[in-house]
Amino acid sequence: QQQVKQSPQSLIVQKGGIPIINCAYENTAFDYFPWYQQFPGKGPALLIAIRPDVSEKKEGRFTISFNKSAKQFSLHIMDSQPGDSATYFCAASIQTSGSRLTFGEGTQLTVNP
Amino acid sequence: DGGITQSPKYLFRKEGQNVTLSCEQNLNHDAMYWYRQDPGQGLRLIYYSQIVNDFQKGDIAEGYSVSREKKESFPLTVTSAQKNPTAFYLCASSIPTGVATNEKLFFGSGTQLSVL
Repeated sequence: QQQVKQSPQSLIVQKGGIPIINCAYENTAFDYFPWYQQFPGKGPALLIAIRPDVSEKKEGRFTISFNKSAKQFSLHIMDSQPGDSATYFCAASIQTSGSRLTFGEGTQLTVNP
Repeated sequence: DGGITQSPKYLFRKEGQNVTLSCEQNLNHDAMYWYRQDPGQGLRLIYYSQIVNDFQKGDIAEGYSVSREKKESFPLTVTSAQKNPTAFYLCASSIPTGVATNEKLFFGSGTQLSVL
């Protein structure tokens, strides 16, 4: 069964901290790993994505770290701000076969001022 | 502005009633999707359509139905057979790029459905 497990379910940090959200997957055929950010009452939006041929990808304050052997990937938010408070979803798919995204359970992040 | 419009934002269903959630997009995307969001369960795929007049069941299609008569529209009907319909429903669309049909999903703002 294609599953993506995400942790923690919720996370509270102070402004300037570096929250880390982790995801683990089972299917070694997954080849596309995006992260989506969702603000309350809104739909998710693509934040950053990685493919397994690289171990890290940075976009601004957001970094994905990817460990292919451990079948894990994580999102790091540098210098976190209260405006980063949102729910974050990891996901995975097999792009080469056009499969649908499998989402993790989500992490509710709160960044206190 | 290009985007996905979902309506209504809030919807209430009575016992035994069918309700239809609207999803319209002006992004000229071929693929459209319906997801259900419950607290602590992530996003679960209900139905998806890669082209007009064609759609496939997702992981939790029981109790739901869809149609895709126009490229721009993908309405979802929550039937009386869906015994636990209270959830946040999200519509999304994407551009198929070769075989990569979900390179980037664009989501609407969702509809919160509650049972009276």
